[in-house]
Amino acid sequence: AQSVAQPEDQVNVAEGNPLTVKCTYSVSGNPYLFWYVQYPNRGLQFLLKYITGDNLVKGSYGFEAEFNKSQTSFHLKKPSALVSDSALYFCAVTSNDYKLSFGAGTTVTVRA
Amino acid sequence: SAVISQKPSRDICQRGTSLTIQCQVDSQVTMMFWYRQQPGQSLTLIATANQGSEATYESGFVIDKFPISRPNLTFSTLTVSNMSPEDSSIYLCSVGAGGNQPQHFGDGTRLSIL
Repeated sequence: AQSVAQPEDQVNVAEGNPLTVKCTYSVSGNPYLFWYVQYPNRGLQFLLKYITGDNLVKGSYGFEAEFNKSQTSFHLKKPSALVSDSALYFCAVTSNDYKLSFGAGTTVTVRA
Repeated sequence: SAVISQKPSRDICQRGTSLTIQCQVDSQVTMMFWYRQQPGQSLTLIATANQGSEATYESGFVIDKFPISRPNLTFSTLTVSNMSPEDSSIYLCSVGAGGNQPQHFGDGTRLSIL
């Protein structure tokens, strides 16, 4: 069985401040981890993935994520948030399979 | 990445009717998936659309309610049958190669049942 937890329903930050969206996972075997963003009336857009190797992965739009195996976490980060980063963010996991398990999502609001 | 087009983008339907959602990809893809995203909730996988064979349904979803076709490697349809207000959701098509490759999503179909 595999699962993802996003402990925060909402994250609010001021523009220019660092943004962190938390994700922890549970999976049998090696995890493949993904972050997606969903803007209103749109589908999910792929941001970044962790497969193996360097624990810090960089993705689209200045986002990065840090994989921590001992804490089974994969937190999404952005050093300086923009108002346009306001959206719904999903963490997802799979293990040697095609079936993705998604977290409940975190709504990010960046205020000007 | 592949460009995925879903039609219709939204619809309002009467209970007891059926609606077919189309998913068109601009390149041949191995795997196509259908998800449901209920209001304020996460994504739930309905089924994997298999080319040339019946779809593989997840627990809680059945073919009679959600028949799926996949006639070729670039196209799939999902029908929501005998709709009730509980079927009001966003239905999303995605494509992927499996394993460590990300899935890519269409913009979804926003369905409201009256």
